[in-house]
Amino acid sequence: SYVLTQPPSVSVAPGQTARITCGGNNIGSTNVHWYQQKPGQAPVLVVHDDSDRPSGIPERFSGASSANMATLTISRVAAGDEADYYCQVWDSSGDHRVLGGGTKLTVL
Amino acid sequence: QVQLQESGPGLVKPSETLSLTCSVSGGSISGFYWSWIRQPPGRGLEWIGYIFYSGYTNYAPSLKSRLAISLDTSKNQFSLRLNSVTAADTAIYYCVRESRSGRGFLSYYFDSWGPGTLVTVSS
Repeated sequence: SYVLTQPPSVSVAPGQTARITCGGNNIGSTNVHWYQQKPGQAPVLVVHDDSDRPSGIPERFSGASSANMATLTISRVAAGDEADYYCQVWDSSGDHRVLGGGTKLTVL
Repeated sequence: QVQLQESGPGLVKPSETLSLTCSVSGGSISGFYWSWIRQPPGRGLEWIGYIFYSGYTNYAPSLKSRLAISLDTSKNQFSLRLNSVTAADTAIYYCVRESRSGRGFLSYYFDSWGPGTLVTVSS
């Protein structure tokens, strides 16, 4: 089955840029989606189809994908961005949905 | 805007069946895929399975032998049944609506989530 690999944690100072990676075999040949989950809350979609933002998501959130790595970039990070972030793809071989293990973003 | 709400027992005994229902409001079940996702305490998200509005289902291989997802279009609800539960099934269970990718490669993503419900498996 398809596996997505995320770093367990990423730390960044306020106002800086955070980059959260998601590794997968030939991930550049599928669409990648990203979710933000704050403590005690349900996840929220922040990027879909590699780089599209749902309505209401700030332009500070952007995504890109190529080869074996996808990246969620959060610019001008603020304390309110502190959360767990998950990447997700569709595994066409079994028609399954696959989620990465999650990355905890800490704002220093 | 569509809203989802999970309901069901918060405590289930080991070896028994976990049953949850998701009520959908503000939109129709028709035309969409509907998934269940769970999250053990302090851990990551795990996709459990989906049901299409036609009734077609697909489950995560690790749970396939114990799992059944069904829907009731007249009530705008879909349900989860997981039998022979153990402590490892203790988790927050989310019901989720899926959308299909609008461009690029074919894909599906989770665009609307319920608030989640904690189910504890314990005697």
